[in-house]
Amino acid sequence: DQQVKQNSPSLSVQEGRISILNCDYTNSMFDYFLWYKKYPAEGPTFLISISSIKDKNEDGRFTVFLNKSAKHLSLHIVPSQPGDSAVYFCAASGGSYIPTFGRGTSLIVHP
Amino acid sequence: DADVTQTPRNRITKTGKRIMLECSQTKGHDRMYWYRQDPGLGLRLIYYSFDVKDINKGEISDGYSVSRQAQAKFSLSLESAIPNQTALYFCATSDRDSASIYEQYFGPGTRLTVT
Repeated sequence: DQQVKQNSPSLSVQEGRISILNCDYTNSMFDYFLWYKKYPAEGPTFLISISSIKDKNEDGRFTVFLNKSAKHLSLHIVPSQPGDSAVYFCAASGGSYIPTFGRGTSLIVHP
Repeated sequence: DADVTQTPRNRITKTGKRIMLECSQTKGHDRMYWYRQDPGLGLRLIYYSFDVKDINKGEISDGYSVSRQAQAKFSLSLESAIPNQTALYFCATSDRDSASIYEQYFGPGTRLTVT
């Protein structure tokens, strides 16, 4: 049973618009959440994270929102750029510090 | 130079063969991990090691074994490869003593095909 779900396998967005990638989790013991970005033929790279004591974290064009009551987090990319086209993985961790990954969402940003 | 390297980058092998995938890191991290990625299934943990003397199974360890030869080296072996082990394999590291203890650093991956 998936503990971290990314229900949209793919997302297509126009350059300059907002990209919103969603992630849901089921394990209430998760207290730290991360987003990774993966380009083809490369390993995933860390993008942004959020602790359960916060509901928002920003880093430049990237913002992660956490709704603990809904067990939902989202990654907002504003404005989206063609170079943002990649697979985005949501991950969640509890006390073991070992993340559980979602299945990924492939983002395509059209020029 | 890459901080986390994996060899080989690509490998084709036959069913029943033994194969070893190697991972080396220069980040000085004590924690190392092996994942596999299958289309549509995300990253699944095979084995992890929190230090040289600590080896733990992940969610999909059957058919795999690992060796932590040194802090910097963590190898994954398929004792008798089977076609459903065809996948992209990633090694990752993390730093126990870092404020960013949750963040993992991934190698470039090994694409393994078992025919």
